[in-house]
Amino acid sequence: AQSVAQPEDQVNVAEGNPLTVKCTYSVSGNPYLFWYVQYPNRGLQFLLKYITGDNLVKGSYGFEAEFNKSQTSFHLKKPSALVSDSALYFCAVRDPYWNRDDKIIFGKGTRLHILP
Amino acid sequence: DARVTQTPRHKVTEMGQEVTMRCQPILGHNTVFWYRQTMMQGLELLAYFRNRAPLDDSGMPKDRFSAEMPDATLATLKIQPSEPRDSAVYFCASGLLLAGVLKEDTQYFGPGTRLTVL
Repeated sequence: AQSVAQPEDQVNVAEGNPLTVKCTYSVSGNPYLFWYVQYPNRGLQFLLKYITGDNLVKGSYGFEAEFNKSQTSFHLKKPSALVSDSALYFCAVRDPYWNRDDKIIFGKGTRLHILP
Repeated sequence: DARVTQTPRHKVTEMGQEVTMRCQPILGHNTVFWYRQTMMQGLELLAYFRNRAPLDDSGMPKDRFSAEMPDATLATLKIQPSEPRDSAVYFCASGLLLAGVLKEDTQYFGPGTRLTVL
């Protein structure tokens, strides 16, 4: 069964600095990988996804994520953090094969604090 | 701008009462998911439907929770009787699952129902 891990409960970054939110996954075969963001009192919003193709995926709000098959990682990155990026970030994985489990599995979430 | 809608947004009730939460998925989407979010457990999948058929409800306490899709535009999650430990934010999400090809399912979340059981 697939799983996803976000090793950091919280990440603090100064405004203007680059940020990284880590995610590792476990799935048989090539995974579908997602990042979602949750702002206070809101539902989760889709940021980006990796299905196939380029390992560097670009998404909303200037975020990008790099798929690394050898390290089974899909870290979320942004070159220059904004205070408005402060939110809860979820990594998610899904088995791509039709005959297997088609649920998306979410990580526990990482709270990102951007310090002014 | 298509969105998933959920009602009510907030619900406060007393232990033992029935609670019904409603979700309207994005028109044309064929999968619907119910999640519960708490500080302690994070985001938990309770149930999901594909083409209105329940596929997995293993995450739900069977004795008190039930989920249905009376039609393609309405999903419901019911708790009867409710208990204080059910207090959480309940999210509905919908997506489009394409059969016969590589499947990809970006889920679109509703704003959630914040449930407080006293």
